[in-house]
Amino acid sequence: QKEVEQNSGPLSVPEGAIASLNCTYSDRGSQSFFWYRQYSGKSPELIMFIYSNGDKEDGRFTAQLNKASQYVSLLIRDSQPSDSATYLCAVPNTDKLIFGTGTRLQVFP
Amino acid sequence: DAGITQSPRHKVTETGTPVTLRCHQTENHRYMYWYRQDPGHGLRLIHYSYGVKDTDKGEVSDGYSVSRSKTEDFLLTLESATSSQTSVYFCAISKGAGTDADTQYFGPGTRLTVL
Repeated sequence: QKEVEQNSGPLSVPEGAIASLNCTYSDRGSQSFFWYRQYSGKSPELIMFIYSNGDKEDGRFTAQLNKASQYVSLLIRDSQPSDSATYLCAVPNTDKLIFGTGTRLQVFP
Repeated sequence: DAGITQSPRHKVTETGTPVTLRCHQTENHRYMYWYRQDPGHGLRLIHYSYGVKDTDKGEVSDGYSVSRSKTEDFLLTLESATSSQTSVYFCAISKGAGTDADTQYFGPGTRLTVL
């Protein structure tokens, strides 16, 4: 059974700083990874996904994959209070996604 | 936004009563999923469907059943609701094919309270 681990947080960062969120996974054969953002009381929404062929940047978000250490990171540059949410990491497993329990990010002014 | 709706959005019911939640999609995606989300447990898969009338269990399927008679509708039934089934329920869909086959898109959720 694949496992996905995340620190529950909260991770508190000041506005304008870089927030770094990490996710470790158990299956060395995992090829793709997903990051979702979930605001309180709302449903998860996809931020980005990354395949095994390297880092990926999308606006202020960068996903970094470290296969040797089996973790994937999400960096949020120039963090804003509107980035305050829970961030979920997910790994495909056959027809399903295995989700971590999420890291709560707090960005304070 | 993916065209996914869930109904009802909120429901309060009593222990022992049957409850059916509905997920409806307009994306013609092959896969549909039901999750529950509870504090400290994250998203847990209840059941999923890989086609009309094709379903399989997830990690927390006890006490739940599902049906999919049409591509666009996926029903989750609690045959006899218990207080432990108080939760927020999310439906999700995915294409199941192509470069973004595994990407799941979520509905708005249903908050269920069992008294």
